[in-house]
Amino acid sequence: NAGVTQTPKFRILKIGQSMTLQCAQDMNHNYMYWYRQDPGMGLKLIYYSVGAGITDKGEVPNGYNVSRSTTEDFPLRLELAAPSQTSVYFCASSPLGSSYNEQFFGPGTRLTVL
Amino acid sequence: KNEVEQSPQNLTAQEGEFITINCSYSVGISALHWLQQHPGGGIVSLFMLSSGKKKHGRLIATINIQEKHSSLHITASHPRDSAVYICAVVDESRDDKIIFGKGTRLHILP
Repeated sequence: NAGVTQTPKFRILKIGQSMTLQCAQDMNHNYMYWYRQDPGMGLKLIYYSVGAGITDKGEVPNGYNVSRSTTEDFPLRLELAAPSQTSVYFCASSPLGSSYNEQFFGPGTRLTVL
Repeated sequence: KNEVEQSPQNLTAQEGEFITINCSYSVGISALHWLQQHPGGGIVSLFMLSSGKKKHGRLIATINIQEKHSSLHITASHPRDSAVYICAVVDESRDDKIIFGKGTRLHILP
């Protein structure tokens, strides 16, 4: 199993550009999550999904969109990138909710917006 | 005030020392997670606790629900244990979302 994969690993965007961060898991997990990690801060939840076709906002959803058309994939879309979105983005998955299971994390995408 | 506080923020110790990292939280929780973030950035889950104590190799995690406190212990520490250790709680009132601490940066000297 590849586990949770994320692409790209690094990306530099100009202000106003858009991009999609890809996340895929091959463990047949129902739950998937997107987090951002800013320097010196704890991880913050952006969006999460409890299954295909179901998504919900986390703590910091503004400026982002997600979709979950399949169990395996959970892409994160940035529209009109801003410097405040410079961060490291982690995707994670778990079989059930975090009250019941550990989460499995992808390797992260380091995004810089200039 | 942060809902999840970790102490210390930074810790440097000699190889072989017994390490304790603390996590205090202010919300009611359904579970608590300990995670390890490697120097390269990757994050792995170490423990998930809802009560009592768990042990895996040289790592021990404990939780006291009444005191809203958890500890992560490392016995016979080794330089490869150098990493950031993150405490995260699942808020029982927030639809199963996790609140993360800022992490404790541990450096073990050979």
